Amino acid sequence: DAKTTQPNSMESNEEEPVHLPCNHSTISGTDYIHWYRQLPSQGPEYVIHGLTSNVNNRMASLAIAEDRKSSTLILHRATLRDAAVYYCILRDRNSGGGADGLTFGKGTHLIIQP
Amino acid sequence: DVKVTQSSRYLVKRTGEKVFLECVQDMDHENMFWYRQDPGLGLRLIYFSYDVKMKEKGDIPEGYSVSREKKERFSLILESASTNQTSMYLCASAVWDKASREQYFGPGTRLTVT
Repeated sequence: DAKTTQPNSMESNEEEPVHLPCNHSTISGTDYIHWYRQLPSQGPEYVIHGLTSNVNNRMASLAIAEDRKSSTLILHRATLRDAAVYYCILRDRNSGGGADGLTFGKGTHLIIQP
Repeated sequence: DVKVTQSSRYLVKRTGEKVFLECVQDMDHENMFWYRQDPGLGLRLIYFSYDVKMKEKGDIPEGYSVSREKKERFSLILESASTNQTSMYLCASAVWDKASREQYFGPGTRLTVT
């Protein structure tokens, strides 16, 4: 999977929007952008994914740059329960088998202040 | 909602013991995965299975084996536990769909081998 770059940590206040950036300048045309998060002492949790267009679901929104070299995960109104490590990864839709295994980088540690 | 459950949250075993970690998913997913997660090393794929009785090695299969006798159940076996297998073990499942391919994780089993 191609490499992504995220800030090590970010801090936000409760009930405010949070924008988590991810750079992926070597993204290929067949790579999907996936976001996962991991709360303390929990397994990772799928958040959202997209290919070219912006995506919304009940957890978050994903804004993808026109050239697809970067994306932003948006939490519209952060709560204390959103404090977690957020991972941005690329998944080639043409791969399969063992390549289906996920590889996380260091991610962004999101701190929410009450 | 997809539910992936693991047999234990915490487990303490002695060196040389045979250890069984069980994982069950309730969404009829074809693919199931076993990972271990260690500080500084991230998430590493041990084994995965794409169908009943089918298994493939991941990145670090040494010292482990797996069993998938039923579609919903995927077991990880440590044949002779060693202290370097002390880790957080995570099970995941996914539908066989290259367009989406999000994985759903269980809560994890923190295994300590003494």
